[in-house]
Amino acid sequence: DTGVSQNPRHKITKRGQNVTFRCDPISEHNRLYWYRQTLGQGPEFLTYFQNEAQLEKSRLLSDRFSAERPKGSFSTLEIQRTEQGDSAMYLCASSSSTPTDTQYFGPGTRLTVL
Amino acid sequence: GIQVEQSPPDLILQEGANSTLRCNFSDSVNNLQWFHQNPWGQLINLFYIPSGTKQNGRLSATTVATERYSLLYISSSQTTDSGVYFCAVQGGGADGLTFGKGTHLIIQP
Repeated sequence: DTGVSQNPRHKITKRGQNVTFRCDPISEHNRLYWYRQTLGQGPEFLTYFQNEAQLEKSRLLSDRFSAERPKGSFSTLEIQRTEQGDSAMYLCASSSSTPTDTQYFGPGTRLTVL
Repeated sequence: GIQVEQSPPDLILQEGANSTLRCNFSDSVNNLQWFHQNPWGQLINLFYIPSGTKQNGRLSATTVATERYSLLYISSSQTTDSGVYFCAVQGGGADGLTFGKGTHLIIQP
């Protein structure tokens, strides 16, 4: 069990650019989640995959955001035309539906939009 | 959606003291987790506890699901316990966790 990994750990970009983040879940976990955390707040849920199917999307996930999990393993989160308000920590978590739905979080990708 | 309130928002204690952190939630839940976020932002799992009581070393947690609250106890605090403690719940048909605003704990030597 190597834990959830995320890359890159830090990303600095200019407003208007596109960015893509990657999450590799714990290998036997079929569920994968994306969250966003801004300074001084708790993480907020963005979207959820069970295997390769995207089953839930928060209203926070605007049209500029898209997430994929093509083979039910790793996932990518892309933000198009970044805005300064997108600056945040993007967290990925994974879980297995059995025996419990405990979510394990990766170290996050910190995005700064200049 | 479900609401999560944590108290106190800030807590400053001396090393060796005990503390109790509270989490109230507004609806029935099928998942409740406590996390410790370290200074680098990593969320570390403490407990999965939608009901009942669990203990792990100096930490223990109790969730009273019928009264919609959970408590995290930290005994004999150490400076390494400093950080933000989050309660997060899942319920009402939602698939993602809803987090509280956290309790910022500072343990002074």
